[in-house]
Amino acid sequence: EPEVTQTPSHQVTQMGQEVILRCVPISNHLYFYWYRQILGQKVEFLVSFYNNEISEKSEIFDDQFSVERPDGSNFTLKIRSTKLEDSAMYFCASTQNMVSIYSNQPQHFGDGTRLSIL
Amino acid sequence: AQKITQTQPGMFVQEKEAVTLDCTYDTSDPSYGLFWYKQPSSGEMIFLIYQGSYDQQNATEGRYSLNFQKARKSANLVISASQLGDSAMYFCAMRGPNAGGTSYGKLTFGQGTILTVHP
Repeated sequence: EPEVTQTPSHQVTQMGQEVILRCVPISNHLYFYWYRQILGQKVEFLVSFYNNEISEKSEIFDDQFSVERPDGSNFTLKIRSTKLEDSAMYFCASTQNMVSIYSNQPQHFGDGTRLSIL
Repeated sequence: AQKITQTQPGMFVQEKEAVTLDCTYDTSDPSYGLFWYKQPSSGEMIFLIYQGSYDQQNATEGRYSLNFQKARKSANLVISASQLGDSAMYFCAMRGPNAGGTSYGKLTFGQGTILTVHP
């Protein structure tokens, strides 16, 4: 079964450094998402992406964050200047087609990247 | 704004018994979708079951069923015949329109419930 792939599985970065988290969504999916889960807490929405632009973002997704789909297969999340509080598990997810609130299409999640800021 | 509440931080169940994990939600939108995900200790998010707000019947998927009570705004997950491998964190999540009225599929998650299955 096709799956969402995230790399690396664990990233350790010095505070203030830039980090890029990579995701390869399922190939025929059109909607892409990033979520964050601070250790022991709930999963929080960061951003959704469709048709090569951000469709929605949360308050967490400030100017330090950016997303892009550089080559039609990868979907990346960049944090420009990392802070200690950016330490979390970051999940990429994708959905196949026109997202309908009537649809039973689940979001397919990757296994996550654990980001540790030192 | 949408809100999901899971009031049980932790639940314990004996192997082979059934267990109910609670989820209540709040939304002013008439159309929405409710999901349950399982997160084992390894960290991945595994989709379990879906319930649409207009679905007439409660959803079922194998040992998982959803007790959907729309008037009470609750969508409790029932796991029958618990297995040791069911020990994990369980998240309830809602998908619905964003503030602009269109849905790009954003999920709002509850705080999660840690389920421990005892042999």
